[in-house]
Amino acid sequence: LAKTTQPISMDSYEGQEVNITCSHNNIATNDYITWYQQFPSQGPRFIIQGYKTKVTNEVASLFIPADRKSSTLSLPRVSLSDTAVYYCLVGDWGAQKLVFGQGTRLTINP
Amino acid sequence: DTEVTQTPKHLVMGMTNKKSLKCEQHMGHRAMYWYKQKAKKPPELMFVYSYEKLSINESVPSRFSPECPNSSLLNLHLHALQPEDSALYLCASSHAREIRSYEQYFGPGTRLTVT
Repeated sequence: LAKTTQPISMDSYEGQEVNITCSHNNIATNDYITWYQQFPSQGPRFIIQGYKTKVTNEVASLFIPADRKSSTLSLPRVSLSDTAVYYCLVGDWGAQKLVFGQGTRLTINP
Repeated sequence: DTEVTQTPKHLVMGMTNKKSLKCEQHMGHRAMYWYKQKAKKPPELMFVYSYEKLSINESVPSRFSPECPNSSLLNLHLHALQPEDSALYLCASSHAREIRSYEQYFGPGTRLTVT
């Protein structure tokens, strides 16, 4: 399982776009990149998953460069309710095994 | 229904007690998981059940005993726990053996305190 590296914490303001970058230098050919969000005392929530280029859903966008050694989660126009821990995970889609890194603690200020 | 339910929400138990945590989902998922999460740490995988069979055991001590009675239910039986086992226990489910196995649905967790 590829190891991931993320910033420990980030701060931003309401209405801003927030980009969280994850480094995964040892990503394997079969690996997908998945992001989860977790609020205090709740279970993580799946946000988005991708393999290459760009993926967008109603919540976020995921940008993956051609070498796939990093990925960027983009949250448009954040609000206070986006304050949470964001986890980047990399692994074989068939492995079922989620290995959570330390995550990025995102704080949105008024 | 995309909900995973867990009971109880909170549990306090002594080191000699036997208790069980319960998890239920009705999304037709055939993979179910137990995770343990300590404060300000990421979740750690404990067990994976795939098609009601234990497929992954992450070297968890035998005082934790999982059970999957059917495709909708997952239990975690607890016996002779230690204070350091106090944590948030999370249950999750997903489709099995395909890309969507990485899209896991988590329950709210059971906050366990061992005294």
